[in-house]
Amino acid sequence: AQRVTQPEKLLSVFKGAPVELKCNYSYSGSPELFWYVQYSRQRLQLLLRHISRESIKGFTADLNKGETSFHLKKPFAQEEDSAMYYCAIDRGSTLGRLYFGRGTQLTVWP
Amino acid sequence: NAGVMQNPRHLVRRRGQEARLRCSPVKGHSHVYWYRQLPEEGLKFMVYLQKENIIDESGMPKERFSAEFPKEGPSILRIQQVVRGDSAAYFCASSPPGQGYGDTQYFGPGTRLTVL
Repeated sequence: AQRVTQPEKLLSVFKGAPVELKCNYSYSGSPELFWYVQYSRQRLQLLLRHISRESIKGFTADLNKGETSFHLKKPFAQEEDSAMYYCAIDRGSTLGRLYFGRGTQLTVWP
Repeated sequence: NAGVMQNPRHLVRRRGQEARLRCSPVKGHSHVYWYRQLPEEGLKFMVYLQKENIIDESGMPKERFSAEFPKEGPSILRIQQVVRGDSAAYFCASSPPGQGYGDTQYFGPGTRLTVL
């Protein structure tokens, strides 16, 4: 069965500090991986996706197939980065369902 | 473009009643997905629909739950004879016509169902 694990329920850092939100997945195929973010009182929205290989709001994520990880990183956290972050996997089949992790609540202190 | 719309935003039902949740996808999107989020949990896939077709309902409970996406009008998630365990946030997402997989899904604000 497909599984997405986000080991940290809560993560706190100070402004300007590096931040890494961990995501591990279990799926033997070639999945597509995403990070979604939910800011306070806003709807869930896409932050970035592996296939795009882009940096959004200073965040990057590298797919490590050997470790089956897709950790989200930012070198210098900002207060506005405080939000709930969800890692998600698409199995890459003809079905578009996403499997989500439980989420990590990131708090960036001033 | 108002994005994905869901209504109602909050719904309170007593045990045994029916709950109807509505989702209007982004204009031009033909794929609709429903997810459920229980407290302290991530979003769990329920069903994937295209216009007038259920593509994947493997995440739907076998009884009491049904979904449709008619040719005209919003997608409806229907829960019959609700029980307290149905209390959750229900999210709808849509994506544009295409292969389905790998497409960005755009989420609605969710409907929070409370069963008394």
